Amino acid sequence: AQRVTQPEKLLSVFKGAPVELKCNYSYSGSPELFWYVQYSRQRLQLLLRHISRESIKGFTADLNKGETSFHLKKPFAQEEDSAMYYCALRRGAGNTPLVFGKGTRLSVIA
Amino acid sequence: DVKVTQSSRYLVKRTGEKVFLECVQDMDHENMFWYRQDPGLGLRLIYFSYDVKMKEKGDIPEGYSVSREKKERFSLILESASTNQTSMYLCASSYGAEAFFGQGTRLTVV
Repeated sequence: AQRVTQPEKLLSVFKGAPVELKCNYSYSGSPELFWYVQYSRQRLQLLLRHISRESIKGFTADLNKGETSFHLKKPFAQEEDSAMYYCALRRGAGNTPLVFGKGTRLSVIA
Repeated sequence: DVKVTQSSRYLVKRTGEKVFLECVQDMDHENMFWYRQDPGLGLRLIYFSYDVKMKEKGDIPEGYSVSREKKERFSLILESASTNQTSMYLCASSYGAEAFFGQGTRLTVV
């Protein structure tokens, strides 16, 4: 069965410190992985996907198939990064539903 | 911009009532989804649909049903609301990799 694990419910860091939000997955096939973010009072939105290999708002994530991980990283946290972050896995191919982790709340302290 | 609109932000219903949550998308997406979002549990898939009049059960379909009579509209129905269905409900649509979410409906069953 597909599963996404985010081990930290809450992560607090100081402004300017590096951030790493952990995500591990279990899936027998070739996964598609995503990070979604929900800022306060806003809707859930896509932050980045592993196939695009891009940096969004300073965040990057690399798929490590050996460790089955897709950790989200940012070298210098900003207060506006405070939000709820969800790692998600697409089950199967094509337009199949996303499987979400339980989420990590990031709090950036000034 | 893709728009996914949920008809209500907040709803309060009584135990045993039949409840309808409505979702409309304006981008002609074939795929639509209903999730519930609970603290510490993340997003869990209730039902999804790939086409009009088509539906598939997700991970937690018990106590829910859905209707998709038109491509743009996907309704979630609570046949007989119970207090354990108090939650935030998120609708999403997708075509391809990215899912677009509505603003959510916070349902309280008293």
